[in-house]
Amino acid sequence: EADIYQTPRYLVIGTGKKITLECSQTMGHDKMYWYQQDPGMELHLIHYSYGVNSTEKGDLSSESTVSRIRTEHFPLTLESARPSHTSQYLCASSEKPYEQFFGPGTRLTVL
Amino acid sequence: SQQGEEDPQALSIQEGENATMNCSYKTSINNLQWYRQNSGRGLVHLILIRSNEREKHSGRLRVTLDTSKKSSSLLITASRAADTASYFCARGNFNKFYFGSGTKLNVKP
Repeated sequence: EADIYQTPRYLVIGTGKKITLECSQTMGHDKMYWYQQDPGMELHLIHYSYGVNSTEKGDLSSESTVSRIRTEHFPLTLESARPSHTSQYLCASSEKPYEQFFGPGTRLTVL
Repeated sequence: SQQGEEDPQALSIQEGENATMNCSYKTSINNLQWYRQNSGRGLVHLILIRSNEREKHSGRLRVTLDTSKKSSSLLITASRAADTASYFCARGNFNKFYFGSGTKLNVKP
């Protein structure tokens, strides 16, 4: 079982609210990733990090931002949530350049 | 998807039967991985095959890779109800990977 955690698991909020999705891993992995996945659809990489103070945007444009101040922590922030942000957000980490360990996901609903 | 597709999109079989799902890709890769996702959960890594390998086994899983056709197959033998999940292939090089929309497998008891 991978030691990667996401909170909250479910979040329902109103339009315009600022939210932060938390992701933590205890494996000491340098690489961390955020994916966005609509139900039954493909995963889209929205952010990734190769280490502390390193963040890059992924292939899917996203209005969210991320930070990587500590190795184990990779939070994702939406300054002003909109209904179009409704989706599942998956966090992952990896040590080797291949296998990724995924958290359980946060299912976000913006009303 | 610009990176390739999995097919079929959905597959329904009886317990004990074999399940085969396919993955195609468009650009060169140095490895391909298969993941499983149970409903509403994160993905779990199943198996990795490198570009210089043609076949790999892990328990009831068998993965093949044909780089000339840019395709891979995942075979699950003697399927069980617990194998019901979505299966994704991740195509990539080094640190970035691309996932398709997956194959939804339903194994009926």
